[in-house]
Amino acid sequence: DAGVIQSPRHEVTEMGQEVTLRCKPISGHNSLFWYRQTMMRGLELLIYFNNNVPIDDSGMPEDRFSAKMPNASFSTLKIQPSEPRDSAVYFCASSALGRADTQYFGPGTRLTVL
Amino acid sequence: GIQVEQSPPDLILQEGANSTLRCNFSDSVNNLQWFHQNPWGQLINLFYIPSGTKQNGRLSATTVATERYSLLYISSSQTTDSGVYFCAVIGGSQGNLIFGKGTKLSVKP
Repeated sequence: DAGVIQSPRHEVTEMGQEVTLRCKPISGHNSLFWYRQTMMRGLELLIYFNNNVPIDDSGMPEDRFSAKMPNASFSTLKIQPSEPRDSAVYFCASSALGRADTQYFGPGTRLTVL
Repeated sequence: GIQVEQSPPDLILQEGANSTLRCNFSDSVNNLQWFHQNPWGQLINLFYIPSGTKQNGRLSATTVATERYSLLYISSSQTTDSGVYFCAVIGGSQGNLIFGKGTKLSVKP
C-alpha cells in the first residue's frame, strides 16, 4: 500500500512568494495532520483535519498560513507571502481513526525561503 | 500541557551493542508512539504503545503508563539504526501529538 505522499520534496523560493505544499493521505484514513520541524522548535502540529473538516488549527503560526482539504484524498498547505523564518521541513501525516490513533508520516517537504 | 522528556539526548554505540532509550511524560496518555527519523529525514513509525510491551525484530518497547515512562530497546544495533528516535504522546482525549526532543543515535561499524 502507498504511504502518505507529499509534493514537492524540496522547494526553494524567494521571500514574498506564495508556496503551496501538497499531501495525499493513506486511502481510507479519516484524519490528516500538518506538522513543521525546525531545529529551534522541533516537531509541532500546525493543523488537524477530521473527515475533511479542520478541527484544530491552533498551531498555525499566523494568517500567512492556510490549509485546505477539499476531499478525503488531498490537502494543501499554503504560505503567502513566504518569509525566511518559514524555512523548515513540513510533514503531512494521516491516521485511520483520529488523533489518538497511530499517525503515519509522509516523507516531508524541505522548504527554503531565501 | 503535557511535557515529554527523552534521555539520553545523544548516544554513540559500536555495532552489535544493545541500548535503552527512555521517554518520561508528565501526565496520563492515551497515545504514545515511537518514531525513527533516519538520516534522510523520513519519520518511520516504530511502535504505537500507550501501555504494555511490543516487539518487532530487534526492537521492543515497554510503556508503564502508571509510572509515566516508556522504554525503547534496541538489540544488536546496526549502522542502519542511526538517526533520531522520537517519543510522542497525546494526553487526554482532545490533545495533539506532542513530541520529545529526541535521542540522536550513532552506530559505528
